[in-house]
Amino acid sequence: NAGVMQNPRHLVRRRGQEARLRCSPMKGHSHVYWYRQLPEEGLKFMVYLQKENIIDESGMPKERFSAEFPKEGPSILRIQQVVRGDSAAYFCASSPPDRGVAEAFFGQGTRLTVV
Amino acid sequence: AQSVAQPEDQVNVAEGNPLTVKCTYSVSGNPYLFWYVQYPNRGLQFLLKYITGDNLVKGSYGFEAEFNKSQTSFHLKKPSALVSDSALYFCAVRDTSGGYNKLIFGAGTRLAVHP
Repeated sequence: NAGVMQNPRHLVRRRGQEARLRCSPMKGHSHVYWYRQLPEEGLKFMVYLQKENIIDESGMPKERFSAEFPKEGPSILRIQQVVRGDSAAYFCASSPPDRGVAEAFFGQGTRLTVV
Repeated sequence: AQSVAQPEDQVNVAEGNPLTVKCTYSVSGNPYLFWYVQYPNRGLQFLLKYITGDNLVKGSYGFEAEFNKSQTSFHLKKPSALVSDSALYFCAVRDTSGGYNKLIFGAGTRLAVHP
């Protein structure tokens, strides 16, 4: 049973480009959480999704950021028109439907660098 | 809203000595508390959790944590530190505000174990 898979592990984008970060949850997990870790800071909650639904996006910036978790395929965190301040590590976690965050497992993260 | 605080940015310990990484929490209701470790350029690894039961929780790699309700603390401990324990440690609490589960993380404590 593979863990939570995130790709790419490292992503470099120029200012103004789009960044797409992918997260494949563990088998049997239908809940996905995205977190952002700015340099030298802790993890900040961004969004919580279930299949085809955004449940809680209270931590998502209002502009340029979006997330989805389609019926088939990985969850995608999309950042449009990236700026230098978006440079961070983005972590995804998944959990089974009946256990919530008490059984959440994290991926290795995607490190986004905006140049 | 639920929150956790890690009062120390960094903890320095000599190899072989006991270590403590502090965490205090603020929750309404029964707390679900977690410790995660992050090694350089890696994702988060789960160490242990407290949901209910014994106040002393044993986890991975010889770590344990003590839940203290009167002091609202959940300090991470290890009897004998190893150089390989050097990493960033995060305390987290389950937040159920809004009716949805998510993890709220502390700012992190960097543990440095010296030979």
